[in-house]
Amino acid sequence: QVQLVQSGAEVKKPGASVKVSCKTSGYTFTRFFIHWVRQAPGQGLEWMGWINPSGGRSSSAQTFQGRITMTRDTSTSTVYMELHSLRSEDTAVYYCARDGTFDIWGQGTKVTVSS
Amino acid sequence: IQMTQSPSSLSASVGDRVTITCRASQGIRDDLGWFQQKPGGAPKRLIYTASNLQSGVPSRFSGSGSGTEFTLTISSLQPEDFATYYCLQHHSYPFTFGPGTKVDIK
Repeated sequence: QVQLVQSGAEVKKPGASVKVSCKTSGYTFTRFFIHWVRQAPGQGLEWMGWINPSGGRSSSAQTFQGRITMTRDTSTSTVYMELHSLRSEDTAVYYCARDGTFDIWGQGTKVTVSS
Repeated sequence: IQMTQSPSSLSASVGDRVTITCRASQGIRDDLGWFQQKPGGAPKRLIYTASNLQSGVPSRFSGSGSGTEFTLTISSLQPEDFATYYCLQHHSYPFTFGPGTKVDIK
């Protein structure tokens, strides 16, 4: 079945970077965009950006431009989201989701930014 | 595109009919989905393109609307339906979620 499996929880210091992976399976990797969404503690869902696994083009919300890098590895059907210059406000659960209609979600990766 | 939801929370009993409204600040055709999220879990898609039921989702869930106003209806609330519900517009970037509606037990 279609699955998105994310990497484990991370604890980072302010100013560091974090790289979250999203390994896909059960479908043709290059057929669907992958989107990233985050959720701060007790808050709602915030869309971050997308990557097209076919070709690797990506785009992000203005909030994250200059601070986010999205890449993919076609050999392992995995996409990555790297967030740089972390601050405490980046503490959140980060999700990957398939396609622009978000039909399948990863289980989430908790990222804690703390000194 | 700004998305608003009402109510922000509601208390209901098992068997109640529940309706949640989502409004878009501009027309989005039917490019809207509804998601359910339980504490500690990832969101789960219930409805896509405004009114299509996701495979495997109980038929007590339904969606309607087009343009700027949308509704999610639960025809007979069940214990497993107590959760937070979000709408999402995927009509244009940046995609935006509604702020959520928390449904809890009366």
